[in-house]
This record gives sequence, structure tokens and C-alpha cells, in this order.
Amino acid sequence: DAKTTQPPSMDCAEGRAANLPCNHSTISGNEYVYWYRQIHSQGPQYIIHGLKNNETNEMASLIITEDRKSSTLILPHATLRDTAVYYCIVEKGYGQNFVFGPGTRLSVLP
Amino acid sequence: NAGVMQNPRHLVRRRGQEARLRCSPMKGHSHVYWYRQLPEEGLKFMVYLQKENIIDESGMPKERFSAEFPKEGPSILRIQQVVRGDSAAYFCASSPGQGVNEAFFGQGTRLTVV
Repeated sequence: DAKTTQPPSMDCAEGRAANLPCNHSTISGNEYVYWYRQIHSQGPQYIIHGLKNNETNEMASLIITEDRKSSTLILPHATLRDTAVYYCIVEKGYGQNFVFGPGTRLSVLP
Repeated sequence: NAGVMQNPRHLVRRRGQEARLRCSPMKGHSHVYWYRQLPEEGLKFMVYLQKENIIDESGMPKERFSAEFPKEGPSILRIQQVVRGDSAAYFCASSPGQGVNEAFFGQGTRLTVV
């Protein structure tokens, strides 16, 4: 079973920041938080991952709370091409038999 | 630097036939994972392989399904005697090895059983 809880859907205006929350209250000390997205029916695309520090790359930022029980993925300037299902996954970082939950369906609106 | 390559992209099989799905990992990647996505559902883990070894097949049905990742060549997911319920998108992912690293997914093979 997925170890994460995400809202089923969210809307965001084009050009605004999209903030996607994820709860992972049972995360253990050696588990990482990964974010992937799936645009239409394409293969999932890696976005970012982190352990306890906040992370940023060219696609997004990941904010992890101090107790690590929740995190937020931030797309700073959402575009229509960011419309996708976003998956938050908790995993030890090896083996990578990721458990994908239903994710959050983000709709970026013009 | 080519990504994870899966072929064919679309595969149609009649009930009872065999389906062979191929996955070539990214260059330098020695770990391969297979996932299945049924229509309107999330991805489900099937099997994790390293070269010539099956590491974790806990998500793979015990009958009709098998997977291999030979020393040379692509990883193969084989489904024997396909049934309509096998119709799905099958995704392959690869990673460089153990340790914290991201897995890269292919574009999938869409299997339709008629």
C-alpha cells in the first residue's frame, strides 16, 4: 500500500506557483521522498527527491517539514504543459520498487 | 544519451498468444524495473532485475508472467497465453544501481488483447 496521501486533484492558474502537498506521517528515518509525474499516458517522469533538507532543481522545489511527516512540491511558474498526475512516493532509495498511489491530478488553467 | 527504450510501443495479441515486451535500459544502467498500469489506474510494481538476476518479483503474477535481464541484450517481459485482463500499459524503468538515485522510465508498451 502507498505510504503517502495526496489530494486527488488541484487546479492552478497558468504562470502561478503550483503547490502540491503530500502527507507521509509514517515515513522512517532512512526513507526518501520522491516526486514523479505522468503526463497523459506517457512514462512517469522524475522530478525531484529529498531526505530531510529542502531541494531545488530546474523543474521544481521540494519542501520537507522538519518532522518529515509531510512535504510540498512547488512548481514556481506553472505552464499548461505541467498538467499531469503528480505522484509522491516514499522509498528507501534502493531497489526502487516504488509504490505509486493515485497521485494528484494537476490541471493548469489558462 | 538515449533514454530507456521500450518496444514495441503498441502490441496487439489474440487471447492465448504470447506477448514479448522489450526494454533497453539507459547506458550505464544495470537495474531494470517493470510496472503495469491498467486503464484509469495507477502504476503497480511487477519485478526488479539486475543483470542475470531477479531481485524482487513480488508484484508479478505467479502464472504466465516471466521476466529476464540477460548479460547481453534487453530485458524481456514475457506473458504467455494472454487474456483480456492483461491489456494494459507496461512501463520499464532503469537506474544505475543501488543507492539513492532516480529511476528513469520508458514510454511504455501498450498491450491490447483481443
